[in-house]
Amino acid sequence: GAVVSQHPSWVICKSGTSVKIECRSLDFQATTMFWYRQFPKQSLMLMATSNEGSKATYEQGVEKDKFLINHASLTLSTLTVTSAHPEDSSFYICSARVARGLGTDTQYFGPGTRLTVL
Amino acid sequence: AQTVTQSQPEMSVQEAETVTLSCTYDTSESNYYLFWYKQPPSRQMILVIRQEAYKQQNATENRFSVNFQKAAKSFSLKISDSQLGDTAMYFCASPAIQGAQKLVFGQGTRLTINP
Repeated sequence: GAVVSQHPSWVICKSGTSVKIECRSLDFQATTMFWYRQFPKQSLMLMATSNEGSKATYEQGVEKDKFLINHASLTLSTLTVTSAHPEDSSFYICSARVARGLGTDTQYFGPGTRLTVL
Repeated sequence: AQTVTQSQPEMSVQEAETVTLSCTYDTSESNYYLFWYKQPPSRQMILVIRQEAYKQQNATENRFSVNFQKAAKSFSLKISDSQLGDTAMYFCASPAIQGAQKLVFGQGTRLTINP
């Protein structure tokens, strides 16, 4: 149980294009999902908290207009990197928090998406 | 700001040995959860163990156990009978602020199990 998928797992795009990453909770409902960015050999950096049916809450320093987040259902959140540039190249990880029941404080993570912007 | 500190950037032990990873955190909360996550080379974050702060009994999951010292705000992870598959980055995490759903992660400890 508590499986989270992410798609795509790896994407290469040209500078200036937009890329959408999907995060799905497969066997549970998640009122809250989180988006992280991880640079090589570093810890996870929280970008934003995504709540179903409402606007995402972004961390300080994260550009809202560049990283668009949509949490349209209890099982799906999407992150769109708009007008991507080489400095946006990174590993993006999502997590989902169980909506109710045991383990409601636990985040379960997707496998991550490696974004390379040429 | 809440902080989580892992003071050991890297550790290396022989297979079958026991290893302890340290973690200290800073929170003003009285009731919260603490977590250890593992990130193997595949980069998939995997929940290793979870501790409820109001429980005095230390959590245990098979070969993994914690030493939770609430007053000292210490939350160490002990891996017994270590296996090659335990090689990974290990991250300690605690809640960011009261009532917040987000977590603060430590810098991580790179653990290598040698054959």
